[in-house]
Amino acid sequence: EVELVESGGGLVQPGGSLRLSCAASGFLFNRYWMSWVRQAPGKGLEWVANINEDETLTYYADSVEGRFTISRDNDKKSLYLQLNSVRAEDTAMYYCTRVFSADQNDYWGQGTLVTVSS
Amino acid sequence: EIVLTQSPATLSLSPGERATLSCRASQSVSSVLAWYQQKPGQAPRLLIYDAFNRATGIPPRFSGSGSGTDFTLTISSLEPEDFAVYHCQYRKVFGGGTKVEIK
Repeated sequence: EVELVESGGGLVQPGGSLRLSCAASGFLFNRYWMSWVRQAPGKGLEWVANINEDETLTYYADSVEGRFTISRDNDKKSLYLQLNSVRAEDTAMYYCTRVFSADQNDYWGQGTLVTVSS
Repeated sequence: EIVLTQSPATLSLSPGERATLSCRASQSVSSVLAWYQQKPGQAPRLLIYDAFNRATGIPPRFSGSGSGTDFTLTISSLEPEDFAVYHCQYRKVFGGGTKVEIK
């Protein structure tokens, strides 16, 4: 059974940093693109970043480019998102997803909540 | 950049009724369109991919249609568990969502 479990969320001050993790199981992790999608409270979904199977390709939303970094460790079957210089508008639930075709996401974790506030 | 517009924002229906949700793209996306269902406090779940293919385990009352710029998600007969928010997606863009609520 495919499972994605996020961790690392919490309260962070504006300008601070946080690292989110996603532990994957139940599938061949190194054969899939992975992505992060976020959802601000009461709002819609926003794609954040994705990464290819061997970490040679990464893409970011304009809203996070230069501040967030997506990475992965295929040996540990884990996906990461480093958040730097966070802003209030980064407050959201962050979901780890498996990408199976044309950026479509077939599995989602339960999410980890990031709150940016002083 | 492509924009996806979902309508209506809210759909008020009774169990057993047919639900028709629309997703319109600002330019052609061919057939690369996904639909997700999201219930309160839960992560989204993939329902439909490539415009009309049901994802694993999705019941046949859910169907997707369309191509180019106009897409439709149809729920043929609403079950109590179908009342939720539905999102469409093309690549890195999501629509604003349609909430299907109990009338």
